[in-house]
Formats: sequence, C-alpha cells, structure tokens
Amino acid sequence: DTEVTQTPKHLVMGMTNKKSLKCEQHMGHRAMYWYKQKAKKPPELMFVYSYEKLSINESVPSRFSPECPNSSLLNLHLHALQPEDSALYLCASSQDGWTGELFFGEGSRLTVL
Amino acid sequence: TQLLEQSPQFLSIQEGENLTVYCNSSSVFSSLQWYRQEPGEGPVLLVTVVTGGEVKKLKRLTFQFGDARKDSSLHITAAQPGDTGLYLCAGALANAGKSTFGDGTTLTVKP
Repeated sequence: DTEVTQTPKHLVMGMTNKKSLKCEQHMGHRAMYWYKQKAKKPPELMFVYSYEKLSINESVPSRFSPECPNSSLLNLHLHALQPEDSALYLCASSQDGWTGELFFGEGSRLTVL
Repeated sequence: TQLLEQSPQFLSIQEGENLTVYCNSSSVFSSLQWYRQEPGEGPVLLVTVVTGGEVKKLKRLTFQFGDARKDSSLHITAAQPGDTGLYLCAGALANAGKSTFGDGTTLTVKP
C-alpha cells in the first residue's frame, strides 16, 4: 500500500472547467513533488515544494497552479487546460529535497476534452 | 540532451530468461535509484545505490553502481511474468534538489 494518497484517481474535464488534484502523505517527509507522465514515458517534473515553499517550477504553464497548505498536503489547481494536458499526474514525496528517494502515489489520470 | 541514457528502451523476453538494463551518464550522481512502474500505477522504489562499485541484491534483481558513480545496471535472473513493467533509473545530482529520470525500459516477460 502506498503511503502517498492521491485523489481523484480519474478526472475528466472540459477546457473551461476548474478542478483540483489532491495529494496527502503522512511519512513526515518535507519535500513534495508534482510530475506529469505520458504513456510509456518517464515522469516529467513540474513543481517541487521543500519545507512548504515552492523551490522548483519547471517552466510549467500558468494554467497549472500548485499549492502546499501544510507539510502533509499538496494540491494542483487546474484551469483552462488543453487536450494535450491529458496525462497521468503523479505526486511524490521525499524525506527532504536532497536524498533522491521518491515515494509516489498511484496517480490521477486526467482527460481533457 | 538526455542526462541519463537508459537502454534498451523496449525488451520482450520469455519467462526464465535473464536480462540486463543499463543506465549511463557523463555526470556524477550522489545517488541513483531504480523504480518499477506497472500500468495505471505510480513508480515504486526498488533500490538506492550511493557508493561507487556498490552491488545490491533484491531477490532475483541485482543492481550495480559504477565505480565513478556515472552509470548503473539492473540484472534480472530467471525473469517471471510478474516482472513485466516500466523500469526507470533516476539520478540525484548533488545540491540539485531534484532527480533526473532516464527514458525508461519497458519490459514484457511472456509466460
């Protein structure tokens, strides 16, 4: 059982909708990540929060907006997405931002119509 | 330019065969991880290697870290259908605050 929980598992949205993806971990980790993954490709880093502060934004379009309410929670707010944004969105956590060991959730499968 | 070159990209073998997956770079990593991902799920951490020349074994899986900490390999002995999945190597550069993933190896083990 994964200790990183993502909701929802599946999400279908139109290009004018606003939705959010949620992630929670209770391992006491201080770094949390959002990745985007297309089929049979490696995860692509989007954002990193370290000690609840945004430390890395990999030039992600502003239609994706991350939020870290506390050390256990991570949200990804979605607005005005495009069909090419359809992908598996993975949340991960690590003990801190430097060890390299990532613990992933099961992902949220997003389809943009 | 891909920082971590992983090969082969696809591998289809029969149950019982052995295989090796390679992860190469010109950069030195402070640590390197291997993950396995099954369809519809997130990657699962298999192992972390830290010391140059290190060898770690996990049942039928053997992981090696190159002496110079630039490359790694994953060897599977007597592959089983349950080994099927996407294998990913990822390296952590010192002070980067993030990991770099290889392109992945899609392994199919046929019964």
